[in-house]
Amino acid sequence: SQQGEEDPQALSIQEGENATMNCSYKTSINNLQWYRQNSGRGLVHLILIRSNEREKHSGRLRVTLDTSKKSSSLLITASRAADTASYFCARRSVSRNQFYFGTGTSLTVIP
Amino acid sequence: DARVTQTPRHKVTEMGQEVTMRCQPILGHNTVFWYRQTMMQGLELLAYFRNRAPLDDSGMPKDRFSAEMPDATLATLKIQPSEPRDSAVYFCASGSFHSFGGNTIYFGEGSWLTVV
Repeated sequence: SQQGEEDPQALSIQEGENATMNCSYKTSINNLQWYRQNSGRGLVHLILIRSNEREKHSGRLRVTLDTSKKSSSLLITASRAADTASYFCARRSVSRNQFYFGTGTSLTVIP
Repeated sequence: DARVTQTPRHKVTEMGQEVTMRCQPILGHNTVFWYRQTMMQGLELLAYFRNRAPLDDSGMPKDRFSAEMPDATLATLKIQPSEPRDSAVYFCASGSFHSFGGNTIYFGEGSWLTVV
């Protein structure tokens, strides 16, 4: 894949539980972003974390970034059935203004 | 409500036929991306443009794919001739990138291509 992976590939949890997804990358980044894709739709931007930040919050979303390990995680707290979707991290490289995505994590939240 | 518009939304075509997908980026955005999504490969960057100039199309099979921006309101991705392995969802995305910032890209709803 281009520049990294998300894991797990699939995640199934009960409503109300927390969901954690991870993203690894290979080259230096300017920032890292998380996107969500509902079935049959385009991707929608959720949250951005810059390379000099370690943690960021937005509502029920919490993103962490560890540049030494070249990894990031997305935590969705108190999940809802409506959170069922695929989640992708996008690495924006330092050297080139490109966004690289992986295969994503498919999240299913069971009501 | 500004959005990226892609046409067609769905296309079924026979192997060997030419396929053209169109994208209208959000007005004022200077960067346009083409991605291909499959179950096996995920989202692959095919090409991208800045101020209508192609900056990178290294992810695109050169022998059959071509991407252009005839003007600031239209980006096209053409496959000629199409093959069954081209079956995928093709996404266009746009963003506003300048030396002082810009980080979010906005996706269209995709063109679902099936080549039989």
